[in-house]
Parts: sequence; C-alpha cells; structure tokens
Amino acid sequence: QLHLQESGPGLVKPSEPLSLTCTVSGGSVNGTSYYWGWIRQPPGKGLEWIGTIYYSGSTYYNPSVKSRVTISVDPSKNQISLKLSSVTAADTALYYCASPGRGTFDIWGQGTMVTVSS
Amino acid sequence: AIQMTQSPSSLSASVGDRVTITCRASQGIRNDLGWYQQKPGKAPKVLIYGASSLQSGVPSRFSGSGSGTDFTLTISSLQPEDYATYYCLQDYNYPWTFGQGTKVEIK
Repeated sequence: QLHLQESGPGLVKPSEPLSLTCTVSGGSVNGTSYYWGWIRQPPGKGLEWIGTIYYSGSTYYNPSVKSRVTISVDPSKNQISLKLSSVTAADTALYYCASPGRGTFDIWGQGTMVTVSS
Repeated sequence: AIQMTQSPSSLSASVGDRVTITCRASQGIRNDLGWYQQKPGKAPKVLIYGASSLQSGVPSRFSGSGSGTDFTLTISSLQPEDYATYYCLQDYNYPWTFGQGTKVEIK
C-alpha cells in the first residue's frame, strides 16, 4: 500500500528558500502514480493546490506561487520535492503531498508544518 | 482560474439530519469534481470523485451529484463521526482549485 511522508525544516526565515520532500513507500515515484501533487493549508484556513508533476515530467503550478516554485522527482531516493524561493509569512502552512487513485488525491501524507519567521 | 464557491461556509446540524453542501464553479467543469472530508489535525480524505462516484470504503450516506457548474454533497443521516470540514476540488483545468470549505458542527 502506498504511503507518503513529508519532511522539511519546520522553520524558515523570510526571503530564504524552502525545500520539502515527500518520501514514497510501497511504490515507486517512477511508476506507481500518474502524478504527484502538493497542497498546503495555512493555519486555520482552507486548502490550496500548489502544483502537480506528471510521470512524464510535466509540471503545473498555481499562479500564486508559479514564479517561485519547483516540483521535481528524485527516483534514486523515491522522493518528490517541493522548492519554494523567497518565502514570506504568507507561506506559513501545513504542506501535504498527495497522489491519485480513483479520485484526484486519494492518498495523502500526514503533512509537514512550515513556519516562516525571523 | 476557475473559482469554486462553496456554501454554506458553516452549518450546525443534529445527528440524523440530512445535510447538503453545494459548490458552484465559475465556469463549466463537466463532472471533474471531488469532495473531501477533513477532521482536525488530519489530512483530507476523498469521499466522492467524478462528482457522484463514492470512494471505496466511504459510507453510503454520502452522495454527490451535479455536473457543469453546480454540485452537491449530501449526507443523508448525519453521524457523530461526520463532524468535520468538507471541501470540493475541481480538476477540470489548471490551476486546480478548492472551495473554501464547509465546517459541519454539532447543533
């Protein structure tokens, strides 16, 4: 059974880059899923789709972060990564990775909290 | 971007009540819509995909309907474990967008 586990630094200073990883177990990043997605949720607020990477390598990003975000896959580590440059307080959120099944996002990680603060 | 307007933003209901949540898309999205349930401190869980298909393992009291711009999630008889926040998500085109959420609370 596919399992996703996000990890990250927890605390990032404003204007610095953020790097998160999603480790996949029970499957391969290069074959198990048609795509992988990242979604975030600021404290007490709703869900925001960040971006999706397809098995082909194609990526799609939310315009709200498009100029700052990169999603990629590392087959050697069986991970999906999210990189966000020049973070601000508005990037403080719980970040999830997710993969499809019959639905758009059937399998979710437990999320990793990122706080942007000096 | 397609806007997903979800209503109500919150509601209070009693166990056994029939609950209806709606999502309206700013343009037609065929049936490319899912419904998600999120409990405090937990990741969202898919309930409905393709607007009306029940995800495996989800109780049959949940149902979805609609196509085009107007969609509905119905809980036929609210149970204690259904108190949560519900979101719709369109994946018709990019950027994928969530509704703002509906918090279902105990009356």
